[in-house]
Amino acid sequence: DVKVTQSSRYLVKRTGEKVFLECVQDMDHENMFWYRQDPGLGLRLIYFSYDVKMKEKGDIPEGYSVSREKKERFSLILESASTNQTSMYLCASSFSGILGETQYFGPGTRLLVL
Amino acid sequence: QQQVKQSPQSLIVQKGGISIINCAYENTAFDYFPWYQQFPGKGPALLIAIRPDVSEKKEGRFTISFNKSAKQFSLHIMDSQPGDSATYFCAASIPPLDMRFGAGTRLTVKP
Repeated sequence: DVKVTQSSRYLVKRTGEKVFLECVQDMDHENMFWYRQDPGLGLRLIYFSYDVKMKEKGDIPEGYSVSREKKERFSLILESASTNQTSMYLCASSFSGILGETQYFGPGTRLLVL
Repeated sequence: QQQVKQSPQSLIVQKGGISIINCAYENTAFDYFPWYQQFPGKGPALLIAIRPDVSEKKEGRFTISFNKSAKQFSLHIMDSQPGDSATYFCAASIPPLDMRFGAGTRLTVKP
């Protein structure tokens, strides 16, 4: 069974704090993704990575950065949290190539920025 | 600008009824059309998917209908059950890296 785990289920942070969200997958997937989920907007891609140390911006990268130092781990960083970053954050992973059609999601981290 | 438009936002169906969720896309380069199911407190999980070379795919009570010329596809849940109550997302993808999701449909199946 594919397992994607996220370090926290719930987080409460203050405006201006630096926030780290961690994601680990155990399936040796090449690709990893960070999305945010907001009601009425679906899932929007923040960043993705197709290899260690490689990263690409998604549709809404402003205010975020990422790090992928190991294949199984993909971190999302909010350099200075703001209230409009209150959201559900979902990590996903997939294989490359033809096997990469399916993305496997973690349970999500619900972040509240006060 | 949403590349995949999904409707309705919410849907209430009686047990045993048919649930229908519709999606439309613009980019003809999309090559793979999955549906994801999300229960409260869980991440989305793949439910069923279709490629544009077929017009219909059925897995148990779940069917995707695909209309390539209209750039539309839909999910039909036959004999809907309370356990089907969840949020459903359609997506359009150019595998493996480009996947665009619809806004989601919250389905409630009443007993």
